[in-house]
Amino acid sequence: DQQVKQNSPSLSVQEGRISILNCDYTNSMFDYFLWYKKYPAEGPTFLISISSIKDKNEDGRFTVFLNKSAKHLSLHIVPSQPGDSAVYFCAATSMDSNYQLIWGAGTKLIIKP
Amino acid sequence: GAVVSQHPSWVICKSGTSVKIECRSLDFQATTMFWYRQFPKQSLMLMATSNEGSKATYEQGVEKDKFLINHASLTLSTLTVTSAHPEDSSFYICSARSGVDTQYFGPGTRLTVL
Repeated sequence: DQQVKQNSPSLSVQEGRISILNCDYTNSMFDYFLWYKKYPAEGPTFLISISSIKDKNEDGRFTVFLNKSAKHLSLHIVPSQPGDSAVYFCAATSMDSNYQLIWGAGTKLIIKP
Repeated sequence: GAVVSQHPSWVICKSGTSVKIECRSLDFQATTMFWYRQFPKQSLMLMATSNEGSKATYEQGVEKDKFLINHASLTLSTLTVTSAHPEDSSFYICSARSGVDTQYFGPGTRLTVL
């Protein structure tokens, strides 16, 4: 039973356009969500996070939106750049699970020149 | 989907003791497992790569005699933090690779050394 789902294994976007990566979750107890970016042969890099008390968090080109009623979050990257090509993982956590991370399977983002 | 588990999920120990953390791939065989360390709200730092049946490859700066890794089977890798000290307190995450590109992460183990 996957509590965090990233239903798109891959996504291809034109350079300069907006990339939207989606993540759905089932556990309503999750209170903190994170996005990580991973290049091949490297560890995941923390990108941006959002607390369940917010519905939006923005950091430069990256914005995360949280829709608690739909149990859905998304990461927007605008404008997309070639260096954004990587695998993106969303993760969720909660205080009652001692903040263990529950990971999505990842979405491979390919930015086309 | 593939699941990776870690045990224990959290552990508190006294300084000087050793702690073993297990990482298991539950429904697939993982020839390669990775161990990461994470500090609060920071990126995961790769500590070592372990291949089944061979010695682990440690990243620069990671003490192999302190962080012992054993990848005894295709579904189990263990990380032993020897003579733990308070500065070893952290969140340790493993991942298991299935196929060429796909990597699945475990939920993490929170280690607190008193």
